[in-house]
Amino acid sequence: GQNIDQPTEMTATEGAIVQINCTYQTSGFNGLFWYQQHAGEAPTFLSYNVLDGLEEKGRFSSFLSRSKGYSYLLLKELQMKDSASYLCAVSLLYGGATNKLIFGTGTLLAVQP
Amino acid sequence: KAGVTQTPRYLIKTRGQQVTLSCSPISGHRSVSWYQQTPGQGLQFLFEYFSETQRNKGNFPGRFSGRQFSNSRSEMNVSTLELGDSALYLCASSATSGSSNEQFFGPGTRLTVL
Repeated sequence: GQNIDQPTEMTATEGAIVQINCTYQTSGFNGLFWYQQHAGEAPTFLSYNVLDGLEEKGRFSSFLSRSKGYSYLLLKELQMKDSASYLCAVSLLYGGATNKLIFGTGTLLAVQP
Repeated sequence: KAGVTQTPRYLIKTRGQQVTLSCSPISGHRSVSWYQQTPGQGLQFLFEYFSETQRNKGNFPGRFSGRQFSNSRSEMNVSTLELGDSALYLCASSATSGSSNEQFFGPGTRLTVL
């Protein structure tokens, strides 16, 4: 079966750094996405990792270790607007091209003043 | 460029009824995927359509079906509604069908089954 785990909730302070972890056990792995979802809104794309290592994009960075089935999203200089749910999703490859994403249940991040 | 649009945004139905939801992808996008989002299960993949063909299907009963038209617009249908079908239904479009393609999500249709 396919399994993706991430913490349910996290709390951090404005201006600080927070790391949201994601572990996965899937077959046919072909990349990992991070999405941000504010309450009542659609998920929006943050990052995509297919090779091991760190991808940096402004205040957000994402890391992948395929051998460990592990990824994390790092948010720096936290702002109140970063309070949202962060979704880890694994892209699966089925006999060719596919857009099937398996999502974790999401991590609800609360940024406090 | 307009984003992904979904209609209706909110829907209330009763058990046993059927419902049809619509999704218009970003102009030029040919792949449309559908997801169900519930508080307990998170986002779960329903199916993906590309060039009017279903390419992949998640683990949902046959009551859930979909189709895609030649203009890439997609519809999903749920027949014989159950209380557990209450959820946010999201569609996502991408330019092509491939694992590295970013998917752009629509605002969703909130379905409530009474």
